[in-house]
Parts: sequence; C-alpha cells; structure tokens
Amino acid sequence: DVKVTQSSRYLVKRTGEKVFLECVQDMDHENMFWYRQDPGLGLRLIYFSYDVKMKEKGDIPEGYSVSREKKERFSLILESASTNQTSMYLCASSQGGQFSYEQYFGPGTRLTVT
Amino acid sequence: AQKITQTQPGMFVQEKEAVTLDCTYDTSDQSYGLFWYKQPSSGEMIFLIYQGSYDEQNATEGRYSLNFQKARKSANLVISASQLGDSAMYFCAMREGRFAGYNKLIFGAGTRLAVHP
Repeated sequence: DVKVTQSSRYLVKRTGEKVFLECVQDMDHENMFWYRQDPGLGLRLIYFSYDVKMKEKGDIPEGYSVSREKKERFSLILESASTNQTSMYLCASSQGGQFSYEQYFGPGTRLTVT
Repeated sequence: AQKITQTQPGMFVQEKEAVTLDCTYDTSDQSYGLFWYKQPSSGEMIFLIYQGSYDEQNATEGRYSLNFQKARKSANLVISASQLGDSAMYFCAMREGRFAGYNKLIFGAGTRLAVHP
C-alpha cells in the first residue's frame, strides 16, 4: 500500500520561528511536491523536486525553502514564520517519466502561526 | 497561462441521484492530462480518475466518469448513484505540459459536494 507521511497533523508556531515540515514517501518516486491549501484558492504549489538535491519553485515560493537530501524525504522550511503562512500544507509524490501519473498525497499539516 | 476553472463553489444532490461537477481548462499544449481528486473532511486527497488529451474514450472508474469535451475544453466529473460518503471537496487538476516528466499539476479552486439523504 502506497504511503506518504507528514511529520505532524497539527502544528502551532509563533511569528518569527523557523518551522520544518517533513514528508516521507515509500514508493521510490522521483517527484515530490509541497502545496498549501486555502479556502477558495484550491491547492497552490510552493516547491517541487524531481530528484535528490534538485528543486524548482512553484507558484508561491516566497517565504519558503525546501530540502531533499534523500529520495524518500522532502522538507519544507519556513525560515521566519508569519501569520499569513497559517494554512494547510500538503505533500505529494509521483513517478517521473513521459506519461501522466497521479500524485499521492500525505494527510496534511494544519499550521497555525500566532 | 494554463488554468483550471471550477465555477461551482458548492453543490448538493439527493442520495442515489447523479451529479455533474464542472471543470474547464485553458492550455495551448496538445498533450496534457486531467485529473479529479476527492478530499473528505478528514483532509486526505484521493485520486479518482484520469483523462489523457489523446484518449478517445471518456474515462470511467466505477461510479465516476469523466465527460471530456476537448473542443470546449471541459472535463466534467459525473458521479452516478450518489452516496452519503461522496460528500467532500472535489478538485479538478491538469498536468502542465512544460513539466510533463515532473507530473506537475495545476488545481482548480474546488467544488464542495453535499449529498442529502
């Protein structure tokens, strides 16, 4: 059974703190993604990675960075958390290649920045 | 720019009836893929169905079917015989052509479906 796990379901942090969100997949997928989900806006891509140590900016990368040191793990970092980063964060992974493959999602982390 | 539009923020349907969730897309690519995901209140995203731009037949998966009208750039999801467990948020998504190998997706804003007994 395929699985994407995220380190926390709920997280409360203070403004200015450095925040790490971890994502692990056990499917040997090449591609991994970080999204944030806000009501009325759907899912917006923050960053994605197509290989170890490789990353590409998504649509809303400002205020975020990522790290992929191992194929199975993709971390999202909020260098200095702000209240406008309060959101649901979803991690996903997919196979790479010329064909379309669905993305598999983790359960999400609901982050509140106070 | 590529875009997905879901014009129905909320829909409701009676149990056992069929419902159509609308999705239109905008792309200049010839090769693309369209996906539908379901997100129950628990938050996990569940893949439902996929349609490739070159697929001649509409995709079907159990009670889900995708009404693909290429000329109109629409990819509506049809759920037949609705069940209470179908109450959820539904997202339409498109694979970006430029990053085909990465399977990068663009998502619509979603439609919240409520199934009434």
